[in-house]
Amino acid sequence: AQSVTQLGSHVSVSEGALVLLRCNYSSSVPPYLFWYVQYPNQGLQLLLKYTSAATLVKGINGFEAEFKKSETSFHLTKPSAHMSDAAEYFCAVSDQANDMRFGAGTRLTVKP
Amino acid sequence: DAGITQSPRHKVTETGTPVTLRCHQTENHRYMYWYRQDPGHGLRLIHYSYGVKDTDKGEVSDGYSVSRSKTEDFLLTLESATSSQTSVYFCAIRRDANNSPLHFGNGTRLTVT
Repeated sequence: AQSVTQLGSHVSVSEGALVLLRCNYSSSVPPYLFWYVQYPNQGLQLLLKYTSAATLVKGINGFEAEFKKSETSFHLTKPSAHMSDAAEYFCAVSDQANDMRFGAGTRLTVKP
Repeated sequence: DAGITQSPRHKVTETGTPVTLRCHQTENHRYMYWYRQDPGHGLRLIHYSYGVKDTDKGEVSDGYSVSRSKTEDFLLTLESATSSQTSVYFCAIRRDANNSPLHFGNGTRLTVT
C-alpha cells in the first residue's frame, strides 16, 4: 500500500535561510506525489505536484521539490524563507488507485 | 476557491447522537473524499466516492458511513458519535484519479462531548 513519511514534525528556520522539508514515500508502482500547504483555520492548498515529466518540480511561492527514485524521496525546498511561509506542509502520494494518502505534516516556523 | 462548501463549519454534539456532515461542490468533479485531521496524524482518509452511488472505504472508516446520491453532494454520517471522533473533517474533490490534485473545503470542526 502507498504511504508517505515526513521526517520532522517541526522545522524552524530564520528568515532568509534555506527551507528543507523531507518526504519519503512507499509505493508499489510509479507514484504521483504532491505537496500541500495549510494555513491556520483553512483547508489544504496545492503547492506542487510530480507527474513524471521532470524530476525537479517548481511550485508556487518559490518552492520546488526533487523526485529521487533511488532514495524514494520528494523533499521540498525554498532557497530563502519568508515570514509568510510559516504554515503546515503535507506530502501526499497517489498511485494507480483512486485515493490519496498524506504524511503527518511538518509545521514550519520562520524566525525574524 | 474550488467551489466546495462544507456544512456546518462547527458542531458540538453529545456522545451517542447521530451527526451528518455535508459537502457540496459546484465543479462537477467525479471524485469526492472525506478526511479527518488530527494532531500528529496528518490527514487520514475516511471514505471516498468515484461516482454517484459508488463509494469505498479509506483507512479509518469504522464508525462512519457515506452517501452520494448526486454528483454535487457527498454526505458523511456518524451513526453514533464517540469522543474519539472529535476532529476536523475535510472534504476534497478531484477531477480524476492519478495525477490530478485534490481541492479542499475549509473544514468542519466537530466536538463530541
